[in-house]
Amino acid sequence: AQKITQTQPGMFVQEKEAVTLDCTYDTSDPSYGLFWYKQPSSGEMIFLIYQGSYDQQNATEGRYSLNFQKARKSANLVISASQLGDSAMYFCAMREGLSSGNTPLVFGKGTRLSVIA
Amino acid sequence: GAVVSQHPSWVICKSGTSVKIECRSLDFQATTMFWYRQFPKQSLMLMATSNEGSKATYEQGVEKDKFLINHASLTLSTLTVTSAHPEDSSFYICSARDLDRGMNTEAFFGQGTRLTVV
Repeated sequence: AQKITQTQPGMFVQEKEAVTLDCTYDTSDPSYGLFWYKQPSSGEMIFLIYQGSYDQQNATEGRYSLNFQKARKSANLVISASQLGDSAMYFCAMREGLSSGNTPLVFGKGTRLSVIA
Repeated sequence: GAVVSQHPSWVICKSGTSVKIECRSLDFQATTMFWYRQFPKQSLMLMATSNEGSKATYEQGVEKDKFLINHASLTLSTLTVTSAHPEDSSFYICSARDLDRGMNTEAFFGQGTRLTVV
């Protein structure tokens, strides 16, 4: 079964508008972390934002915010005031067993965001 | 912030030859590093977990004799693609975490290596 599901293969957004990229996850571990990474065409993975399973408040980092709905197991990324440079692939990822060691990230299939001028 | 450096960024090799990819943590020690493979327009798939001073742990379906991993020091892990074939052409990327920054921290990624086997 998919641990991370991103249902939007591609999204378009007008410059300066906000956009939400969807992510749902599946885990039975009570201790986990959710991450969003941006991958431009160069291939590098750029960390954007993190949400821990025990965090009470939604994470925010500049123009990025994470809409964390634990009961629904969703962790959507909201990008406000989109810029042309935001055009890239966006991956949602999860790390389980936060308290048990150095476990790997599991990635969703990604969403390609295109910002239109 | 923590930096992970990967080299080379791209390589073209002939079928049947071996290619070594290096992954270094530049300003922290990494007892564990992770190697991922990414085919075009697809997600990152974990290949193996590289452990300093011990054998790597491979994911199901990944041939350990083909993808040799060596983690000889706390700052360096290498992935060697042995007897490469065109189907091994892919984007390989490593990651590591700086555990001194805490358990709930992000993983840092190398720049990735684009391998083309001709």
